[in-house]
Amino acid sequence: EAGVTQFPSHSVIEKGQTVTLRCDPISGHDNLYWYRRVMGKEIKFLLHFVKESKQDESGMPNNRFLAERTGGTYSTLKVQPAELEDSGVYFCASSQDRDYRNSPLHFGNGTRLTVT
Amino acid sequence: AQTVTQSQPEMSVQEAETVTLSCTYDTSESDYYLFWYKQPPSRQMILVIRQEAYKQQNATENRFSVNFQKAAKSFSLKISDSQLGDAAMYFCAYRTFYNQGGKLIFGQGTELSVKP
Repeated sequence: EAGVTQFPSHSVIEKGQTVTLRCDPISGHDNLYWYRRVMGKEIKFLLHFVKESKQDESGMPNNRFLAERTGGTYSTLKVQPAELEDSGVYFCASSQDRDYRNSPLHFGNGTRLTVT
Repeated sequence: AQTVTQSQPEMSVQEAETVTLSCTYDTSESDYYLFWYKQPPSRQMILVIRQEAYKQQNATENRFSVNFQKAAKSFSLKISDSQLGDAAMYFCAYRTFYNQGGKLIFGQGTELSVKP
């Protein structure tokens, strides 16, 4: 089966611009998560979709970040306008079932975002 | 709130030797899950090993084993007979037991290099 796909793999934008990251989960996976790692720090949770619904968005840093998952398939994460502190690696992960014991979490390769 | 701490930003090991990566966490919960994830350079993050807090026996997966000390809130990863392919960033992570679809809480990561 195809894995979790993220693109672009790298993005360099200027402060104030808009960037949209995309995540294609494994087909059939209802659960989709976004995480990010700011340089040298821990990976932090952003939000969790179950199908098209936001189950937990407690990690979204501010209203410059907008995540969508229309139709419960792929998801996008838009940053508008981007700030310098948004630089980091954004990871997407998916799982079929909420219970990880039956359905492990699969990660994508991540999108490295650099805001200059 | 739960936290995970990895105090070793970098570690190095000689090929075929053994190395131990440290992880401590803080939680008020009695039941939870702990994980070690590995992210090779430019590749996706994969699960190395997991431990259920209610199990006293330390988890083992081939050359990978953990030393789970619940009272001390410590969860170290031991890699035996290190191989060049073990070179990667290693993340320790926590997940609450009571929300199966819940988010992972990660540590800062430890970058492991393996010397031939």
